[in-house]
Amino acid sequence: GDSVTQMEGPVTLSEEAFLTINCTYTATGYPSLFWYVQYPGEGLQLLLKATKADDKGSNKGFEATYRKETTSFHLEKGSVQVSDSAVYFCALSARSTGTASKLTFGTGTRLQVTL
Amino acid sequence: DARVTQTPRHKVTEMGQEVTMRCQPILGHNTVFWYRQTMMQGLELLAYFRNRAPLDDSGMPKDRFSAEMPDATLATLKIQPSEPRDSAVYFCASGSDRGNQPQHFGDGTRLSIL
Repeated sequence: GDSVTQMEGPVTLSEEAFLTINCTYTATGYPSLFWYVQYPGEGLQLLLKATKADDKGSNKGFEATYRKETTSFHLEKGSVQVSDSAVYFCALSARSTGTASKLTFGTGTRLQVTL
Repeated sequence: DARVTQTPRHKVTEMGQEVTMRCQPILGHNTVFWYRQTMMQGLELLAYFRNRAPLDDSGMPKDRFSAEMPDATLATLKIQPSEPRDSAVYFCASGSDRGNQPQHFGDGTRLSIL
């Protein structure tokens, strides 16, 4: 079945450091890929998405590129801020299921940014 | 911005009591999802609906949990009787299966069963 694997957390960085959170997936067909972010006490919010190979999703300084050859969708940011501290979830939507919006989530990676 | 609305935000009750959580999906969305989030298990899909019909509730303990959509503007998740192990944050999300649309999440119901 479909699955998403994320790097274990927590990830602790100093402000202005470079961020990479790894995400790889297994799916049949051509899934859409998403990154969601969850701030404390809140629900998950869509951060960015990519719907086909080589697409780059970007938002709020975060980027991720859909790499079909390596089945990856790594999240990057050039300079993190304390306000980026949250849990980040990688997810896929497998179109072959016929219900495009059903998502398979990774386990989440907690990011803590310190001054 | 359109939002998924969940009520109540917090619920504390004693074991054995019935708990009802409600969700108002975003207008026009035709899929609704219920998730449970705990520290130990992470984010688990309990059930989901498409056009108000239940498509998959295999993640839900059927002996005590039930999920319904009485109409397009309301989804409910009930636990009867509740147990301490049901303590978690329950999220509702809605989406559309037209095109590559993401799910939109509510802020969750934080449930504590004493």
